[in-house]
Amino acid sequence: QSVLTQPPSASGTPGQRVTISCSGSSSNIGRNYVYWYQQLPGMAPKLLIYGNNQRPSGVPDRISGSKSGTSASLAISGLRSEDEADYYCATWDDSVSGVAFGGGTKLAVL
Amino acid sequence: EVQLVDSGGNLVQPGGSLRLSCEASGFTLSTYTMNWVRQAPGKGLEWVSAIGSGGETYYVDSVKGRFTISRDNSKNTLYLQMNNLRVEDTAVYYCAAQTWTKATTDSYWGQGTQVTVSS
Repeated sequence: QSVLTQPPSASGTPGQRVTISCSGSSSNIGRNYVYWYQQLPGMAPKLLIYGNNQRPSGVPDRISGSKSGTSASLAISGLRSEDEADYYCATWDDSVSGVAFGGGTKLAVL
Repeated sequence: EVQLVDSGGNLVQPGGSLRLSCEASGFTLSTYTMNWVRQAPGKGLEWVSAIGSGGETYYVDSVKGRFTISRDNSKNTLYLQMNNLRVEDTAVYYCAAQTWTKATTDSYWGQGTQVTVSS
C-alpha cells in the first residue's frame, strides 16, 4: 500500500487532455516538493516535473504539474501515442524521513 | 556526458548477501543526494535508501538493519550492501541522483541491475 495514492489507470484519445492525481498527507505532499516521473517499459524513470510544477529542459510544455494542499496533479494535453507509459509521483515524507512514491498510473492512449 | 552505471545484481539464495555498485561519470557523486530505488516484477517504484551530500543516510523500514548505503568519493561510486536477503527483495535496483528537498532539475538514473532472491 503506497503512501501516495494514484489511480491505477487513465486513458484518453490523441489530442485529448488527461489528468493524473496524487493524494498524500501533511507530512509529505503538504510540506514538500512533488516530483513526477514517466517510465516506459524496460526503461529507467525519466523526470517530467520537479518542484511541484517545474519542467526540466526537453520536457514539452503540454506537460504540467500542480499542487494544492496535500494533493498534486499531472496534466498532459495534446495526448500523443508516445505518452503511453507509467507515471509516478514522489515526494519526501517527514514522518518517516524517507521518500514516498505513488503506486503508479498506467496511461493508455486509445 | 552524465552517466550512472549500475552493476552487481545476481541470483542469490534467501539469507545471502550482495553488493550493488553505481559508478558515476560526468558529475561528482558526493555533491548530490544519491538514492537506490527498486521495482519488483510487475510492480511500482519503491525508494530503498539515500545518502546525502553530508553523509547522512536514510532507509525504508523494510531494509533497516539489513542494507547499508555508502559511497567511495575517490571512485565516484555509490554502493548498496544487502545482507540477509529475502525473496521479497527481488527487484530491479536503480541508483539515482535526485534531491528531494530542493527544487532541482538534476535527476540522473542508472539503467538498473536485477537482483533475484530465490532458492
